[in-house]
Amino acid sequence: EAQVTQNPRYLITVTGKKLTVTCSQNMNHEYMSWYRQDPGLGLRQIYYSMNVEVTDKGDVPEGYKVSRKEKRNFPLILESPSPNQTSLYFCASSLTPGQGAGELFFGEGSRLTVL
Amino acid sequence: GENVEQHPSTLSVQEGDSAVIKCTYSDSASNYFPWYKQELGKRPQLIIDIRSNVGEKKDQRIAVTLNKTAKHFSLHITETQPEDSAVYFCAYWSGTYKYIFGTGTRLKVLA
Repeated sequence: EAQVTQNPRYLITVTGKKLTVTCSQNMNHEYMSWYRQDPGLGLRQIYYSMNVEVTDKGDVPEGYKVSRKEKRNFPLILESPSPNQTSLYFCASSLTPGQGAGELFFGEGSRLTVL
Repeated sequence: GENVEQHPSTLSVQEGDSAVIKCTYSDSASNYFPWYKQELGKRPQLIIDIRSNVGEKKDQRIAVTLNKTAKHFSLHITETQPEDSAVYFCAYWSGTYKYIFGTGTRLKVLA
């Protein structure tokens, strides 16, 4: 089954404790991206990756890091989480946008609470 | 900058009536305009999309129209049903390799 899998689905942590949210897709997609969803603000892009070892900042990258060492994986790293990073996070992937943008497939979401 | 304005933020309609959600975008290089539906507690899922070489696309009760000159695109849902109740997001693919999303419309279909 084609899917985007992210873990953990729910996490409560404390300020300053490093955490990683994993994301994996099995559709051989080149494009992967992270979004955060907050009430009234829609989906805001954090980072995206056009291909292995190619990443770039989205609209709200502060406080986050990513890596793309393999095509299927795109982890989101919060080096020192703060309460303003409490949010619902979605990973997503799609076929090569350069050849004509296509459907974004979203993971199930990770709800993060930073105390 | 890159952004898309989506209106209304909430919309209530009687079952069987039509619903229209409108978006205005800023990036003239855009050529792909998808719409996503997010049910409560679920992930966003694509319901329809349109590319810049067409002005309208239909899929059963759902249609999208695009006016590139005015930089508007709209989602039309006819004969609404309770299961249409959800949050709908418009989006576009920007010239800088990003999907730009609207802030969402919460649609409530009243039985």
